[in-house]
Parts: sequence; structure tokens; C-alpha cells
Amino acid sequence: EPEVTQTPSHQVTQMGQEVILRCVPISNHLYFYWYRQILGQKVEFLVSFYNNEISEKSEIFDDQFSVERPDGSNFTLKIRSTKLEDSAMYFCALGQLNQPQHFGDGTRLSIL
Amino acid sequence: AQKITQTQPGMFVQEKEAVTLDCTYDTSDPSYGLFWYKQPSSGEMIFLIYQGSYDQQNATEGRYSLNFQKARKSANLVISASQLGDSAMYFCAMREPPVSGNTPLVFGKGTRLSVIA
Repeated sequence: EPEVTQTPSHQVTQMGQEVILRCVPISNHLYFYWYRQILGQKVEFLVSFYNNEISEKSEIFDDQFSVERPDGSNFTLKIRSTKLEDSAMYFCALGQLNQPQHFGDGTRLSIL
Repeated sequence: AQKITQTQPGMFVQEKEAVTLDCTYDTSDPSYGLFWYKQPSSGEMIFLIYQGSYDQQNATEGRYSLNFQKARKSANLVISASQLGDSAMYFCAMREPPVSGNTPLVFGKGTRLSVIA
């Protein structure tokens, strides 16, 4: 059974629209991460979240992006005013001390 | 500069044979962690194996083993007795200090492994 569930599995959105990607951990974790994988390319770090606040973010994670944990369980990534180049697979990953990060199955985002 | 280098974009291996996927890394920190993930065509990222920089022995997990050569900064993945289901992309990743904490993973570009019957 996966440790984390991501919804939706596939999202198709018109350019300029906002999208919210969700990550639901099965058990308690301390650290949350979002990664992005553009088709055919390597996995890139976007942002990490610890203790209900951002702990680190990459240069990709600009003002277009935001993360939150609104209800203490779900972990969301919001992308405002989507662009064609936002099309990618988005992975949520969870971590605990001294443990490897476990990835969700990903959300495939397609911007038209 | 690339922190993780995977020089083999694609590899072929005969079923039941062993295969080595190369990974070299670049860090000046003495404490780090190295990971391998498998990504099948369905897209999910599956954790395979972990090697800590201070681990005395090479990591093993079933048919997966890690050939860790610290002086060469290499962490090659060895898959023994390849199966058709091993066909996938394989990513090497590194985590720099604090290894036990919150630092994100840095990934290589991956190697696509194709197992031939």
C-alpha cells in the first residue's frame, strides 16, 4: 500500500487557469516535498515543507507556486496562471528522519 | 555543475543476466546519502536502495545491490538476474547534509533499462 496518495492522477487545464494538486499521506510524516518532472527529463526539486511552513525552495518555485497544508492532513501545490511549460509530472514525496523519501504516484499535468 | 551524472541514457540486458547502471556524484561534504529509484512506464517513482556515505558495507536489497566506491565517487546499481519487469527508467539521487533531515534529493538524468527476453 502506498504511503501517499496524489490526486488527481491526470489534470488537463487551459493555459492561464489555476490548478491545485493534492497529496494525502497515509501515516504521519515530518517532511513533505514537491518535485516536478518534465516529460523525458530528470526529476527536479520544487519545495520542501516542514512543521507547516516552507523550509526550502528551488529557483523554479516562484510566485506562481504556493503550498499549504490546509487541514493538517492534505498537502497541496497550487499553480496560478498556468503556462504551457508547466506541463509535467508533479510528485509529492514524504520523509521521516533517517528514512528515504517515498514518492506518490504523481499527477500528470497537461496545459493546453 | 552536475551533482549526479548518469552516463548511460539507455541500456539493454538479456533476461536473467546481471546489469550495472552507472552513477557518479559530486559533493565536498563527507556526509551524504545516495539513492536509486525505479520509474516504470506508468510513471511512479519506486525507492530501491540507499547507501550512506559512512556505511561500511555496500547496500543490498534483494536483487539490487549498490557498488559504492567512495574514492571514485561512484554508486553503481547492480541488478542481478534481470526480469522483464525490470524494464524502466532508473534514477540515481543524492542527499547532502543534513542527511537525516529535510534536504531535498538531487537527481541524475536517468538510465532507461530494457530487458530482452
